[in-house]
Amino acid sequence: EVQLVESGGGLVQPGGSLRLSCAASGFTFSSYEMNWVRQAPGKGLEWVSYISSSGSTIYYADSVKGRFTISRDNAKNSLYLQMNSLRAEDTAVYYCARVAPTPGSSGYYYSDDYWGQGTLVTVSS
Amino acid sequence: EIVMTQSPATLSVSPGERATLSCRASQSVSSNLAWYQQKPGQAPRLLIYGASTRATGIPARFSGSGSGTEFTLTISSLQSEDFAVYYCQQYNNWPPRFGPGTKVDIK
Repeated sequence: EVQLVESGGGLVQPGGSLRLSCAASGFTFSSYEMNWVRQAPGKGLEWVSYISSSGSTIYYADSVKGRFTISRDNAKNSLYLQMNSLRAEDTAVYYCARVAPTPGSSGYYYSDDYWGQGTLVTVSS
Repeated sequence: EIVMTQSPATLSVSPGERATLSCRASQSVSSNLAWYQQKPGQAPRLLIYGASTRATGIPARFSGSGSGTEFTLTISSLQSEDFAVYYCQQYNNWPPRFGPGTKVDIK
């Protein structure tokens, strides 16, 4: 059974730092690309960051670029999000999600097929 | 960047009725479009990928259609467990943006 379990959330002051972790099990973690997606209270879903299976390709949303760092340790089946210079607007539930490429008629179709339960990050003084 | 819109924002439907949700992209995303369901306090669940292919374990009452810029999620006969928020997401270009969601509630 595929499982993704996030941890590391909590209350932090503006300007502070947190490191989120996502422990993966039930699949070959090193073969899959991964995303972090967040959801502010009462709001919709916002993609935050992407990392390729090897870690060689990384993307960030403009809203977190320069402040957040995504990484992975395939030997430990773990995904990370280092969050620095946190702002009130970073308050959200943070989900890790597995990226699933599926062959289609004209290339690959992508989706996030498994999600963790989320970890809440609250940025407040 | 591609902007995703969804309509309506809220859809009130009686159990057993049909629900039709729309998603529009600001430019073509081919068929690289996914739909997710999210219930309160839960993580999103993948329903549809490739615009029309049901994910594993998703009931046949859920169907997706469309390509390019216009997409539809249809729930043929709403069950009590289907009342939730539904999001579309394009994966044709980075960043993989989500739409703002459609809340399906009980009429």
